Amino acid sequence: SQQGEEDPQALSIQEGENATMNCSYKTSINNLQWYRQNSGRGLVHLILIRSNEREKHSGRLRVTLDTSKKSSSLLITASRAADTASYFCATYDTGTASKLTFGTGTRLQVTL
Amino acid sequence: DGGITQSPKYLFRKEGQNVTLSCEQNLNHDAMYWYRQDPGQGLRLIYYSQIVNDFQKGDIAEGYSVSREKKESFPLTVTSAQKNPTAFYLCASSISTSGSGHTDTQYFGPGTRLTVL
Repeated sequence: SQQGEEDPQALSIQEGENATMNCSYKTSINNLQWYRQNSGRGLVHLILIRSNEREKHSGRLRVTLDTSKKSSSLLITASRAADTASYFCATYDTGTASKLTFGTGTRLQVTL
Repeated sequence: DGGITQSPKYLFRKEGQNVTLSCEQNLNHDAMYWYRQDPGQGLRLIYYSQIVNDFQKGDIAEGYSVSREKKESFPLTVTSAQKNPTAFYLCASSISTSGSGHTDTQYFGPGTRLTVL
């Protein structure tokens, strides 16, 4: 079953602009992770935020988590053409041990 | 060079045949996972293994089988019982499955694209 739902499903922006994508989930979580997937490739882990954290930064990435609203956002600042990829959120749920549940993904297109 | 490898990259199968997808990791991770991804979709968990000689069904295990005889290997067999096997299959591993954070960050292989002819 899909726990997370990303919004928007697709996003097209120009290089230099910021990209924001959102993830909503349904259950209590231990942590939430964001992954990136280039077309036809495996996923790459970007950032993890624990349930007791509200914001986290890594380079041009900023992640927020609002457990009261069961939502997270990923902000990519000063986007580059190389950021073109699909981005997935994944939740590690407190009720279902031992596995991540992935969302449906946001496809980001960054044009020159 | 540490990592997780999958082979083959592309696999073609005739209807009614069983095929086995390979997944190997040299990261010394305890946990390994198999996911299926359909076009434009997210990942769905097929099977996972927290430790050698143990594995659990995921959300879509029907028509698939796995084994975990060695820590570094977690092969997936797509059986003839899987009615719609054409998909992109991804293998992943993590240090453990404690839920504490960094230990359950997953590392993915490059994937195997299976096509049924």
